[in-house]
Amino acid sequence: DIQMTQSPYSLSASVGDRVTITCRASQSISSYVNWYQQRPGKAPNLLIYAASNLRSGVPSRFSGSGSGTDFTLTISSLQPEDFASYFCQQSYTTPWAFGQGTKVEIK
Amino acid sequence: QVQLQQSGPGLVKPSQTLSLTCAISGDSVSSNRAAWNWIRQSPSRGLEWLGRTYYRSKWYYDYAVSAKSRIIINADTSKNQFSLQLNSVTPEDTALYYCAREQSLSTLDIWGQGTMVTVSS
Repeated sequence: DIQMTQSPYSLSASVGDRVTITCRASQSISSYVNWYQQRPGKAPNLLIYAASNLRSGVPSRFSGSGSGTDFTLTISSLQPEDFASYFCQQSYTTPWAFGQGTKVEIK
Repeated sequence: QVQLQQSGPGLVKPSQTLSLTCAISGDSVSSNRAAWNWIRQSPSRGLEWLGRTYYRSKWYYDYAVSAKSRIIINADTSKNQFSLQLNSVTPEDTALYYCAREQSLSTLDIWGQGTMVTVSS
């Protein structure tokens, strides 16, 4: 099975900061990575699919990059509504595997 | 728009069966472009995929190896819903359970509201 290792586990940042979250796959998965945002008490919400494609309706301050084993989610200018948890997911083959999550907190 | 509405008990006794249902509106459980997944989330295990079903001229089922001996996912076309049964539960199965639609490129684009299930006597 493919494992996804996400870092950092948590980070503190201020409104307007640039934030980067990384995910590493245990084997090459091409561009088969999706990114989700989860606010407290809510289900995960798809942000980025196939590593770098922004889902319709998602603000352009979110971007994704990477291929093979290393992937990045970037928030270019953190907004108050972005304080949440973020997860990567490999969609290369079942069983789908998720990263452990990154909690973005207010500094 | 597509919505998934989960239902089922929030408390299950050890050794009994956990049963949850996910009712679909705005799409069809028999769609040949979607798959229907169950995922759970707990502090100790994070987000854990349990399994899925999908229809491509016939029904297919994929299950996580960790749950394969205990899990059944079924689709009910008459009610346009799918269900999860997890047998012989233990406190380790205590988690927030989600259903989710899977679309192209295996994105989980629509999620249910989540059901917190506690396994306790």
